[in-house]
Amino acid sequence: GNSVTQMEGPVTLSEEAFLTINCTYTATGYPSLFWYVQYPGEGLQLLLKATKADDKGSNKGFEATYRKETTSFHLEKGSVQVSDSAVYFCALRLNTGFQKLVFGTGTRLLVSP
Amino acid sequence: ETGVTQTPRHLVMGMTNKKSLKCEQHLGHNAMYWYKQSAKKPLELMFVYNFKEQTENNSVPSRFSPECPNSSHLFLHLHTLQPEDSALYLCASSQGQEGNQPQHFGDGTRLSIL
Repeated sequence: GNSVTQMEGPVTLSEEAFLTINCTYTATGYPSLFWYVQYPGEGLQLLLKATKADDKGSNKGFEATYRKETTSFHLEKGSVQVSDSAVYFCALRLNTGFQKLVFGTGTRLLVSP
Repeated sequence: ETGVTQTPRHLVMGMTNKKSLKCEQHLGHNAMYWYKQSAKKPLELMFVYNFKEQTENNSVPSRFSPECPNSSHLFLHLHTLQPEDSALYLCASSQGQEGNQPQHFGDGTRLSIL
């Protein structure tokens, strides 16, 4: 089946630290990969996406590279801010026909001043 | 502003009540979704509508009844809910159902069952 595995949280960092949130996937076909972010009291917002191998998605200083050989899509940011504190969800969706968006369980990021 | 508006933001109801959740999207999308988000569990897809037609019902109990009168509006009618139904209910929409089309989410309705 199709699944997404994320590192357990919370991830606790000081402001300006480097962030990595690991995400690996299993898929029966060729997926598009997504990172969503959920701020407190809000719904999910698309952060970035990549639709094929070796693509790099980027937005708001966050980056993730679609690595087919390691089936990974790790989220990185060079210098986190307190305002980045949120829950981050990795997700995949197969590109052929209609397929569900499959989410990981989410990783909570806490950034302190 | 995500382009997907959900009302109400919070709802408290008893197990015998009937209420409805509303979702409206202003993005011109043709697919809409209901998700359930419970603490410490992955998001659960409940229903999918494409051009007003239901294309997926993910084994959801009949006490949840969706309605999609047009491509811009989606409702979730609630009746005789259980305490375990307390959760955040998220609506989403997308342009088509192809894999590379992202879904845009509303802010959700926080539902509490007494």
